[in-house]
Amino acid sequence: QSALTQPRSVSGSPGQSVTISCTGTSSDVGGYDYVSWYQHHPGKAPKLMISDVSERPSGVPDRFSGSKSDNTASLTISGLQAEDEADYYCYSYAGSNTWVFGGGTKLTVL
Amino acid sequence: QVQLVESGGGVVQPGGSLRLSCAASGFAFSSCNMHWVRQAPGKGLEWVAFIWYDGDDKYFADSLKGRFNISRDNIKKTVSLQMNSLRTDDTAVYYCAKDFSGHYAIDSWGQGTLVTVSS
Repeated sequence: QSALTQPRSVSGSPGQSVTISCTGTSSDVGGYDYVSWYQHHPGKAPKLMISDVSERPSGVPDRFSGSKSDNTASLTISGLQAEDEADYYCYSYAGSNTWVFGGGTKLTVL
Repeated sequence: QVQLVESGGGVVQPGGSLRLSCAASGFAFSSCNMHWVRQAPGKGLEWVAFIWYDGDDKYFADSLKGRFNISRDNIKKTVSLQMNSLRTDDTAVYYCAKDFSGHYAIDSWGQGTLVTVSS
């Protein structure tokens, strides 16, 4: 259960797009289509943004999209807005009723 | 709406024990699997434990096996985390979370409770 690998930080200007990668192994990200993404503002509860690699829960703007190729999943945020500034975590099922998070990525909106 | 309220956090000495509780409301608790997740200061989220809706099966992060236990009371609509042999690196905010059934994800979180292990 080693943490998934995410860049520590990404940044972009309002209106631009950013992509956050999440690299695991064939035992987690690559083995299941059960990658989810969470937005976490410090001091608040995390919020589910993407489930099942690319599904957006009701209420999540369509500026947020997810994808996966082999052992790497990605979250893309288009049309960046100031309120998107937060920490983002990927989360993958790892089999046998266990899960693993990514190390987290701090998104800065310039 | 879904509400998850954690309690029981505090300061404990290394080697000590602590029991966290999470009170659930706003959904069919007895039909839902539940998780505990933690975040150490300045660190990322870490999955801790998972319990099936009926409490019959429990799963833990490898690093915690033997020290933590998860349980639930479907009558009282609570899920608990018993933490034993606590170490300084167990210091974290502990979140109770609701499983997103069928999606192997989490769809609701509590606000968290802080556990500090320090002498």
